[in-house]
Amino acid sequence: AQTVTQSQPEMSVQEAETVTLSCTYDTSESDYYLFWYKQPPSRQMILVIRQEAYKQQNATENRFSVNFQKAAKSFSLKISDSQLGDAAMYFCAYSWYVGDDKIIFGKGTRLHILP
Amino acid sequence: NAGVTQTPKFRILKIGQSMTLQCAQDMNHNYMYWYRQDPGMGLKLIYYSVGAGITDKGEVPNGYNVSRSTTEDFPLRLELAAPSQTSVYFCASIPGGGVGEQFFGPGTRLTVL
Repeated sequence: AQTVTQSQPEMSVQEAETVTLSCTYDTSESDYYLFWYKQPPSRQMILVIRQEAYKQQNATENRFSVNFQKAAKSFSLKISDSQLGDAAMYFCAYSWYVGDDKIIFGKGTRLHILP
Repeated sequence: NAGVTQTPKFRILKIGQSMTLQCAQDMNHNYMYWYRQDPGMGLKLIYYSVGAGITDKGEVPNGYNVSRSTTEDFPLRLELAAPSQTSVYFCASIPGGGVGEQFFGPGTRLTVL
């Protein structure tokens, strides 16, 4: 069965510094998607970044980038120049196409930004 | 586009009461999903639908029912509410067919006392 594991329940980082959130997953599929979602106190789920497994190049969105290691089944999120607005719960998620496009979520990492 | 909308935003129920959580999307998405998020936890899939008239159970379906009579609407019914159903409920949708990313509604916070 597919699983997603986030081993860091909480992390803190100083404003303007860089932080990396870890995620590992387990799958026997070769073609799939990986996502990082942000959930601020408003509870809205916001897509931060996505990675297609067939792409070797790591996805980047402004200050957010991933380190995708397919063989190791690792998908970490790096946030550069951390800002107060980055404080949120971050969920790693995995999806594969089996006709119902279900997504498996990790338990989340709560990120605190220290001013 | 309004995207995915959910009503109500908040609700308090007494044990044994019933209610329907509404979800609608205006993006013509085929696939829709209901999740619950318990405090400090990730999202767990309750039910999903791959099109009008087609629904299926997710990981935690007990105590819930769904219907999908139109592409736009996917209501979640709670029968005989229990304190264990206190949670935040999210509805989500995608076009389907391997696109992957899910679009989420703002959530409904439900408390059962």
